[in-house]
Amino acid sequence: EVQLVESGGDLVQPGGSLRLSCVVSGFTFSTYAMNWVRQAPGKGLEWVSGIGARGGSTYYADSVRGRFTISRDNSKNTLYLQMNSLRAEDTAIYYCARDTIANDCYWGQGTLVTVSP
Amino acid sequence: QTVVTQEPSLTVSPGGTVTLTCASSTGAVTSGYYPSWFQQKPGQAPRALIYTTSNKHSWTPARFSGSLLGGKAALTLSGVQPEDEAEYYCLLYYGGVQVFGGGTKLTVL
Repeated sequence: EVQLVESGGDLVQPGGSLRLSCVVSGFTFSTYAMNWVRQAPGKGLEWVSGIGARGGSTYYADSVRGRFTISRDNSKNTLYLQMNSLRAEDTAIYYCARDTIANDCYWGQGTLVTVSP
Repeated sequence: QTVVTQEPSLTVSPGGTVTLTCASSTGAVTSGYYPSWFQQKPGQAPRALIYTTSNKHSWTPARFSGSLLGGKAALTLSGVQPEDEAEYYCLLYYGGVQVFGGGTKLTVL
């Protein structure tokens, strides 16, 4: 059974940092691109960042470029999102998703990040 | 900044047919944008329905189909069921960066 489990969400002050993790199981992690997608309260989905299967290629939305860093550890079946200089508008549920543009795209249940004083 | 546009809301009767569309501010949507479609119900994570324009995931009901229509990506639901009431999002690929549409709230009434 394919599973993606996010963690690391928390309440953080503006300007602070947080690292999200997504541990996967049930498939060969090292052969799939992975993505982070977020959803602010009551709003639509926003693609945040993507990374190639081996980690050599990374991509970011303009809204987070320069502040967020996506990475992966294929030996630990884990995807990461390092978030720095957090702003109130980064408040959202953060989902990890397996290869959003390919077959059998699985999503985790999300982790909540709240940026507030 | 690239914008992907969907109808904000649509209403369909049970058993009816409805088409949702997805447009890109950069011009006509082609298969090279790898159009994907996702369904999200309240309180749930999104679920993938269609990838690369018209391909279905193993769990996608047969009544859902994807296509290109008049320069846009399209998602057609035929024989709509009450459980299809949900928010639907398209996603387009721009050479690495991806952009979601604003979503279409589909009401089955």
